[in-house]
Amino acid sequence: EVQLVESGGGLVQPGGSLRLSCAASGFTFSSYSMNWVRQAPGKGLEWVSYISSSRNTIYYADSVKGRFTISRDNAKNSLYLQMNSLRAEDTAVYYCARLYYFDSSGWEFDAFDIWGQGTMVTVSS
Amino acid sequence: DIRMTQSPSSLSASVGDRVTITCRASQSISDYLNWYQHKPGKAPKLLIYAASSLQSGVPSRFSGSGSGTDFTLTISSLQPADFATYYCQQSYSTPLTFGGGTKVEIK
Repeated sequence: EVQLVESGGGLVQPGGSLRLSCAASGFTFSSYSMNWVRQAPGKGLEWVSYISSSRNTIYYADSVKGRFTISRDNAKNSLYLQMNSLRAEDTAVYYCARLYYFDSSGWEFDAFDIWGQGTMVTVSS
Repeated sequence: DIRMTQSPSSLSASVGDRVTITCRASQSISDYLNWYQHKPGKAPKLLIYAASSLQSGVPSRFSGSGSGTDFTLTISSLQPADFATYYCQQSYSTPLTFGGGTKVEIK
C-alpha cells in the first residue's frame, strides 16, 4: 500500500525548534519530488516547501524562508522538515505530500496525489 | 504570487443535488489547476488534475472544467460521502497556492 506517515509534531515554545519526519512506503520514494503542506486551525491549505527527487531543487514559501529547512534521505525513504525560530502562526497540521507528474494530451501537469494524515505542531508558551 | 479565489466559501445542499464550485486565478494559469477534497482528520484527496482530468478511482460524478483564469468543479449528484471541504490549487508556478476552500454541508 502506498503510504506516507508523518511524525515529530508537538508543543513547542515560540522561538523553539522541531523536526518533522515523513516515512514513505509502497512506492519508489527516490523517484518523486516531495512537499510539505500545512493547515492552520480553521484555515485553508498552505504549501510550505518542495524538494526534488535528487535534492537538486528546493523551494520555500516566503512565510517560512530562512527558518525552515526541507531535506530527504532516499536510502531511508524519508522526508524531513527542520523548523527553527517557530512562531505562533506556524501552529498547524503539517502534511507531507507526493508530487506526481501526469501526462495529459502530451503536456506534463503535476499534482499532490498522495498525502499523509498529518502531524500537529502547536507553538505556544 | 498567483492568488486563487474560490466561491462560495460554503454551501448547503441535499443528497442528489448538482453542486458547482468556482475558482478564479489572479492571472492565467492555462490548465494547471487541481481540485482536492478534504475531510476533518483525514488526508486531502486529489480529485481532478490538469483542470479536467479525473484522478484514478474518483467517481465520475466529479468533473472539472475551465482554462486560463476561471475554473469549475461540479458534483453531478451529491452523495453522503461528498460532504467535505474542496480546494483548488494552481501548479503553474511557485509558490504553489490553494484557494480558500469551499465547505459543502448537508441541508
